[in-house]
Amino acid sequence: DIQMTQSPSSLSASVGDRVTITCRASQSISSYLNWYQHKPGKAPKLLIYAASSLQGGVPSRFSGSGSGTDFTLTISSLQPEDFATYFCQQSYSTFWAFGQGTKVEIK
Amino acid sequence: QVQLQESGPGLVKPSETLSLTCTVSGGSVSSGSYYWSWIRQPPGRGLVWIGYIYYSGSTNYNPSLKSRVTISVDTSKNQFSLRLNSVTAADTAVYYCARVQTVGYSPIDYWGQGTLVTVSS
Repeated sequence: DIQMTQSPSSLSASVGDRVTITCRASQSISSYLNWYQHKPGKAPKLLIYAASSLQGGVPSRFSGSGSGTDFTLTISSLQPEDFATYFCQQSYSTFWAFGQGTKVEIK
Repeated sequence: QVQLQESGPGLVKPSETLSLTCTVSGGSVSSGSYYWSWIRQPPGRGLVWIGYIYYSGSTNYNPSLKSRVTISVDTSKNQFSLRLNSVTAADTAVYYCARVQTVGYSPIDYWGQGTLVTVSS
C-alpha cells in the first residue's frame, strides 16, 4: 500500500504570508496527487489535481508542484478565508490514500 | 451545482449494521464518468477510503474493510448507499460520500459534508 506523509501537521501564519505544505509518497505516484481544503462542518473542496492543475474556480494564489514522491502545495499570500485544514491524496493506485492533514491557523 | 448529502442513523449499536445513503443532486449516478465513493475519518485521525461503486454496479473496496462492506447504487433515486456489518467502536467516524472522476487523475471533485456515526451501546 502507498503511504502518504504530510508535513507539517499544523502551522501558524499571518494574512499575507506565503505558506508551503509538503506531501511525500512512500513510492512513486507520478503526478497522481490531489490537494483539498477542508473547513469544519463543510464538504472538503478540491484545489489542485494532477499535482499542479488548478481546479476551476480556485484562486490563483494556490499552486501545486512535484512529481514522483515529493509534492508541495503553496499559498502565495494567505487570505482570511484560507484558514483551514489541507490534505493530499494519491490516486495512483485504486487503494486511495490520504495525508494526515495540515491545519493552517491564524498567528 | 453538484451536491451530495449523507443521511442515516447517527448512533449504531456494536455488532449491528451501519447503513448510510448519499443523495446526489445536480448530477447523475448513472453517469459513466464517475465513481461514487465512501470515505471515513475516525476522531483525531486521517481519512480512510472505504470503497466505490460504478453506475454498472461494479465495486472496489478497501481490503481491510472488504469482508464487512457493501456499497450499492439506486439509479432510480439517484442515490448510493453504504452498509458496514458487525460494527465496533473502531468504526466510529465521520462518513463522507464523494464523487470521483473516472478519467485522468481521478480527483474527488465533490464531497458531502459528512455525517458522524457513533458506535455505542
